[in-house]
Amino acid sequence: GAGVSQSPSNKVTEKGKDVELRCDPISGHTALYWYRQSLGQGLEFLIYFQGNSAPDKSGLPSDRFSAERTGGSVSTLTIQRTQQEDSAVYLCASNLAGGGFADTQYFGPGTRLTVL
Amino acid sequence: SQQGEEDPQALSIQEGENATMNCSYKTSINNLQWYRQNSGRGLVHLILIRSNEREKHSGRLRVTLDTSKKSSSLLITASRAADTASYFCATGFQGGSEKLVFGKGTKLTVNP
Repeated sequence: GAGVSQSPSNKVTEKGKDVELRCDPISGHTALYWYRQSLGQGLEFLIYFQGNSAPDKSGLPSDRFSAERTGGSVSTLTIQRTQQEDSAVYLCASNLAGGGFADTQYFGPGTRLTVL
Repeated sequence: SQQGEEDPQALSIQEGENATMNCSYKTSINNLQWYRQNSGRGLVHLILIRSNEREKHSGRLRVTLDTSKKSSSLLITASRAADTASYFCATGFQGGSEKLVFGKGTKLTVNP
């Protein structure tokens, strides 16, 4: 597609349930990023993929959070046993990257997760 | 902890006026970027300035970078109501991870 897409756009879940968030990066982009934005806050880095591997997963807040990327394209962020503090907008971004220059990133519209 | 800190946190101006937002950061960077966010959803890249650049222009946007003071400013000239949004600075570091570190943003309101 022309841009980064994410699904679902909104997700409401009950505390303790697992959720999966999906990101489709721009075709050909080798790098993919997940960020989280809590209400009124800036973006918090979660994980970075180069191809299918994750050289930097330092931002994952706990072992309840995991992510994978297959075929160098689609990525899924999974949150197990969701907690109310997981409520946030989860944003995915992609770019060509790989040069260590932290270049421009292209963002999707985000998934708004609400944990009741 | 977040690298960039924008100031002011909120700014309200009249259409036609200029808007200036500032960003400070803590460690050495490779580049600094400004993004815009409408309605709390996806971010749109506005401009990137590299650590060896001091000023950059794009349309009504002007960005400056002072690496000695570890600060940057974004100037929007002749603002329009459509410029109402949140603006974030993000820093990329030398070497290592490709991640960006974002500040908390400046919420700009342009009144018609």
